[in-house]
Amino acid sequence: EPEVTQTPSHQVTQMGQEVILRCVPISNHLYFYWYRQILGQKVEFLVSFYNNEISEKSEIFDDQFSVERPDGSNFTLKIRSTKLEDSAMYFCASSQAQAGSPLHFGNGTRLTVT
Amino acid sequence: RKEVEQDPGPFNVPEGATVAFNCTYSNSASQSFFWYRQDCRKEPKLLMSVYSSGNEDGRFTAQLNRASQYISLLIRDSKLSDSATYLCVVSGNQAGTALIFGKGTTLSVSS
Repeated sequence: EPEVTQTPSHQVTQMGQEVILRCVPISNHLYFYWYRQILGQKVEFLVSFYNNEISEKSEIFDDQFSVERPDGSNFTLKIRSTKLEDSAMYFCASSQAQAGSPLHFGNGTRLTVT
Repeated sequence: RKEVEQDPGPFNVPEGATVAFNCTYSNSASQSFFWYRQDCRKEPKLLMSVYSSGNEDGRFTAQLNRASQYISLLIRDSKLSDSATYLCVVSGNQAGTALIFGKGTTLSVSS
């Protein structure tokens, strides 16, 4: 069964540093997403991406965040200047085009900001 | 943003028990509904979609009441492997819009 893959599985960085989290969505999916989950809290939407542009973003997704699809397979989340409160599990997901399609999640990148 | 509310539990049940989880959502325009399962420190995995007429998948039955904005999940004959957090998930009204997650209900099945 095709799956979403994320790298790295764990990233440790110092406050103020830039990090890039990488994802390879399922190949025939057209919608891509980033979610995060702070330890013990709920899964929170960050951003959705379709046709090479952001289609929706949450209030969490401020100017320090950006997303990019640099080629035909990768989908990245960049955090420009990490804060302690950015420590969380970041999940990439993808879905097929039609409304009502469930999301398929990658196994996540655990980001630890020290 | 509209919210999804769930009883956090935990629900502690013996093997073989039947357990039911409830969920309410606030966005009346929501069109798609799902139950996901999340094991500790793992990604959410789709358990089942929820359809207006209700649907069943083996030991799992999901119900939707649009008028009350209420979703339920029934698990029959609980197994040890059912121990996990069950996430109620609701979408907006068009393709590509964000799925909104409830905080989840934790189930622990013991022998």
